Amino acid sequence: VQLQESGPGLVRPSGTLSLTCDVSGGSIGISNWWSWIRQSPGKGLEWIGEIHGSGRASYNPSLKSRVTISVDNSKNRFSLELTSVTAADTAVYFCTRNGQVSLDSWGHGILVTVSS
Amino acid sequence: EVVLTQSPGTLSLSPGERATLSCRASQNVNSNYLAWYQQKPGQAPRLLIYAAFTRAIGIPDRFSGSGSGTDFTLTISRLEPEDFAVYYCQLYDTSPLYTFGQGTKLEIK
Repeated sequence: VQLQESGPGLVRPSGTLSLTCDVSGGSIGISNWWSWIRQSPGKGLEWIGEIHGSGRASYNPSLKSRVTISVDNSKNRFSLELTSVTAADTAVYFCTRNGQVSLDSWGHGILVTVSS
Repeated sequence: EVVLTQSPGTLSLSPGERATLSCRASQNVNSNYLAWYQQKPGQAPRLLIYAAFTRAIGIPDRFSGSGSGTDFTLTISRLEPEDFAVYYCQLYDTSPLYTFGQGTKLEIK
């Protein structure tokens, strides 16, 4: 399976970060869970949340109030929205497939900078 | 939340040598929920080991995982030039679902 992130590379402070992950080589909705991870110099690797093809989602408590992850089975993609962003949200964002207690497939990542 | 602490921060070795990387959890964890990743500059992390001991598809057998309780180890038996990278341990837990160590950089001596 291949994953590809897309979206704006620059977001204004207090705005909303919106990213999409296109999945190819497999169906998003059959049996897997899918996650968003971010990586920044200050916080390292951080799990943001996950979603199942059914639409069921769970989030990192530290971000839960600002995060929504959704899925579009018809387009074989899932998406991330992060509201009220600050400079601390500047990071490389990865989408992944959840494997057995691990993350077994990763997109290349997309750098998102929060700046005015 | 369980905290994973990796050591050393940087490990300097030569090709052909054996590398031993440590990951310590702040409390006892189920070894079946521990994984290791390799990350090279400009790339995404790549899964190496999951369930503490099981190599992911395509991972050479010079990579091995061990440990239990709070102490886990990733061993690279004989370093190849392509093995110099940053390595992360990761725990599958309840909340948050996935947590990571801060990484060990393996550099060429």
